[in-house]
Amino acid sequence: QKEVEQNSGPLSVPEGAIASLNCTYSDRGSQSFFWYRQYSGKSPELIMFIYSNGDKEDGRFTAQLNKASQYVSLLIRDSQPSDSATYLCAVSRGNEKLTFGTGTRLTIIP
Amino acid sequence: DVKVTQSSRYLVKRTGEKVFLECVQDMDHENMFWYRQDPGLGLRLIYFSYDVKMKEKGDIPEGYSVSREKKERFSLILESASTNQTSMYLCATTGGYMVGGYTFGSGTRLTVV
Repeated sequence: QKEVEQNSGPLSVPEGAIASLNCTYSDRGSQSFFWYRQYSGKSPELIMFIYSNGDKEDGRFTAQLNKASQYVSLLIRDSQPSDSATYLCAVSRGNEKLTFGTGTRLTIIP
Repeated sequence: DVKVTQSSRYLVKRTGEKVFLECVQDMDHENMFWYRQDPGLGLRLIYFSYDVKMKEKGDIPEGYSVSREKKERFSLILESASTNQTSMYLCATTGGYMVGGYTFGSGTRLTVV
């Protein structure tokens, strides 16, 4: 079992709709959870982080964490073509070192 | 903003060569990391460092070494390059209270022929 699992996609979503990206992790000692966006040919950039169970909103992005289910998700509301990218989920036990999933490729269809 | 600079965007090296990948950050961050990224495998941690002259092995250290003589510079060394080390190499740094909030360099795409 991979430590951090994501659906590789591609996930296609119409412009203006909600994109839902999911991630599960195996280490129950994980304390910090991150979502990175990576455009083709570019390096990853941090878009959201969450430490506590529940929802965290930042603009059009909402991160959701359920530690009991070992599940973290990212919702993107009002999806735009510029949201087309690969989204990487990453988790940490709190020691600064991150373990990444393989990423979900998201395509927003105009 | 933190700047993480990787010395080369593209490199082509021959099998058996010793290869140096350089990473420099300008924000006095303690923690620096080297990852490689391959299709279908994602980002895998090679080595990391929490302080000058300190280094720790990541998940795939074989065939690599690192050097951190100064706080701002973290070098990845391929002792004898092999074709299976063809990859995108990403340097990252973090510090402060945002645990795990990495800032990545622009990456070095290394091809070993």
